[in-house]
Amino acid sequence: AQSVSQHNHHVILSEAASLELGCNYSYGGTVNLFWYVQYPGQHLQLLLKYFSGDPLVKGIKGFEAEFIKSKFSFNLRKPSVQWSDTAEYFCAVNGLYSGGGADGLTFGKGTHLIIQP
Amino acid sequence: NAGVTQTPKFQVLKTGQSMTLQCAQDMNHNSMYWYRQDPGMGLRLIYYSASEGTTDKGEVPNGYNVSRLNKREFSLRLESAAPSQTSVYFCASRRGLAGVYEQYFGPGTRLTVT
Repeated sequence: AQSVSQHNHHVILSEAASLELGCNYSYGGTVNLFWYVQYPGQHLQLLLKYFSGDPLVKGIKGFEAEFIKSKFSFNLRKPSVQWSDTAEYFCAVNGLYSGGGADGLTFGKGTHLIIQP
Repeated sequence: NAGVTQTPKFQVLKTGQSMTLQCAQDMNHNSMYWYRQDPGMGLRLIYYSASEGTTDKGEVPNGYNVSRLNKREFSLRLESAAPSQTSVYFCASRRGLAGVYEQYFGPGTRLTVT
């Protein structure tokens, strides 16, 4: 079965610090990878996605992620965080379920990021 | 476009009661999904509907049923609620069947079963 691991469950940074959140997945087939963000009290929003092509993908709000196939990783980065980046961050990969079709998303457990002013 | 809408936003049930969570999307998407979110667990797929007229189990389907009423609507039913079903439920939709497109999420329903 596929799985997604996020290594950091809680991260506390000061404003202007650099951010890297780790994500590793286990899945034997072709992967589509995503990072979603959930601001307090809100629903999930897509930060960025990787389907194919350039392994370095850029998303909204200055976030980027790098797909390293050999390491089964898709780490999220931001050079300088802001207080407004305080949120829960989820890495996700397309998965296989009992119906046999490739559908749905398998999520990591999330990283709670707190940015201190 | 409203995107993905869910009703109700909050619900409290007693053990054994039943209820249906409603979800609708106005983006003409083919695929729809139900997830539950629990602290420290991320989101887990309950059921999905790859296209109108089809439904299939996800990772945690036990205790739930779904109906894809039409292309727009996908409901989740709890026949006999249990405290273990206390969670936040998210509906999502996606344009296509294949993995090319991202999922769009609704605002969630916070369910408490006492």
